[in-house]
Amino acid sequence: QKEVEQDPGPLSVPEGAIVSLNCTYSNSAFQYFMWYRQYSRKGPELLMYTYSSGNKEDGRFTAQVDKSSKYISLFIRDSQPSDSATYLCAMNWAAGNKLTFGGGTRVLVKP
Amino acid sequence: SAVISQKPSRDICQRGTSLTIQCQVDSQVTMMFWYRQQPGQSLTLIATANQGSEATYESGFVIDKFPISRPNLTFSTLTVSNMSPEDSSIYLCSGRDQNIQYFGAGTRLSVL
Repeated sequence: QKEVEQDPGPLSVPEGAIVSLNCTYSNSAFQYFMWYRQYSRKGPELLMYTYSSGNKEDGRFTAQVDKSSKYISLFIRDSQPSDSATYLCAMNWAAGNKLTFGGGTRVLVKP
Repeated sequence: SAVISQKPSRDICQRGTSLTIQCQVDSQVTMMFWYRQQPGQSLTLIATANQGSEATYESGFVIDKFPISRPNLTFSTLTVSNMSPEDSSIYLCSGRDQNIQYFGAGTRLSVL
């Protein structure tokens, strides 16, 4: 079993819909959670960074962490075709510790 | 934030040769890393590049195959040695500042 599980998709949604992405993890020590967006032929770009449980909102993006369920989510409101990319979750248990990545979910937003 | 530049962006190499990838960060970062990413796959950590000392390699990766240098806080190189077609992949440089990790655009390597 992988330490971080993420549905590979593809997840196809119409423009304007809400995109819902999630990861589950097994290591209860994880405290720092990140979401990266990766366009084709580009490096991962940090979208959201959260510590411990709770919600964080940044524009159209909302990240949620439920440590009791070992489950994190990313929501994209009013999705645009430019949101079409692969989204990777990542986490670690301490600052300075190496990141553990999910496998990534490919998202397609259709005009 | 940190901006990470990698070069070359892509290369096609012959079996048995070596390629050195350069990574430059625009600001000082505490840690630098090298990852490999197969098409459609997630990131696999190769090693942590340590300034002025030998890199720390992950299981399955060895210094003879992937020698790494980090002469200062903002520059690192990864060499892929004695290449085979199995080394065809995307190689990504990453820098971390206060637990925020940034990535370069990657080097797309094809080995014939």
